[in-house]
Amino acid sequence: EPEVTQTPSHQVTQMGQEVILRCVPISNHLYFYWYRQILGQKVEFLVSFYNNEISEKSEIFDDQFSVERPDGSNFTLKIRSTKLEDSAMYFCASTRDYSQYFGPGTRLTVL
Amino acid sequence: AQTVTQSQPEMSVQEAETVTLSCTYDTSENNYYLFWYKQPPSRQMILVIRQEAYKQQNATENRFSVNFQKAAKSFSLKISDSQLGDTAMYFCAFMKAIPFSGGYNKLIFGAGTRLAVHP
Repeated sequence: EPEVTQTPSHQVTQMGQEVILRCVPISNHLYFYWYRQILGQKVEFLVSFYNNEISEKSEIFDDQFSVERPDGSNFTLKIRSTKLEDSAMYFCASTRDYSQYFGPGTRLTVL
Repeated sequence: AQTVTQSQPEMSVQEAETVTLSCTYDTSENNYYLFWYKQPPSRQMILVIRQEAYKQQNATENRFSVNFQKAAKSFSLKISDSQLGDTAMYFCAFMKAIPFSGGYNKLIFGAGTRLAVHP
């Protein structure tokens, strides 16, 4: 069964560095999302993406964040200058039949 | 704004027993979807079950079923014949249905309930 995939599984970076998190959504899905989960807390919506543009973004998704679909398969989340508080699990999801299917997540650790 | 509340931070159950996880939500919308997601220690988010608000019949998926009470804004998950592999965090989630969009929208999650299944 098709799955959402994410790379890397774990990313360690220094504060102020740029990171790019990558996702490959399920191939026939049209809507894509990024969520994050700080350890021990609830899952929070970051951004939704459809037809090569952002559909909606949360207050968390400030100018340090950007998303892109550089080709027909990848969907990326870029954080330009990471902060300590960006340490979290980042999940990509894609939509089929009104249900969102999540990737395994990328654990981002900012030192 | 919509909110989702899971009032049970932790629960435990014996293997083969039945357990019910509670979820309430607040919305003024009439058309929406409700979900339960399971997050095992691997932290993968796994879709367990979905309920459409316009459907009166409660959704079921094998050992998992829901009790959807629209008027009370309640959406509980029942796990029958609990198995050790059911040990996980369980998140309730709400999605507002946007007309003519195909129903795609962001999920709003509750804080989760940590379920432990004991042998």
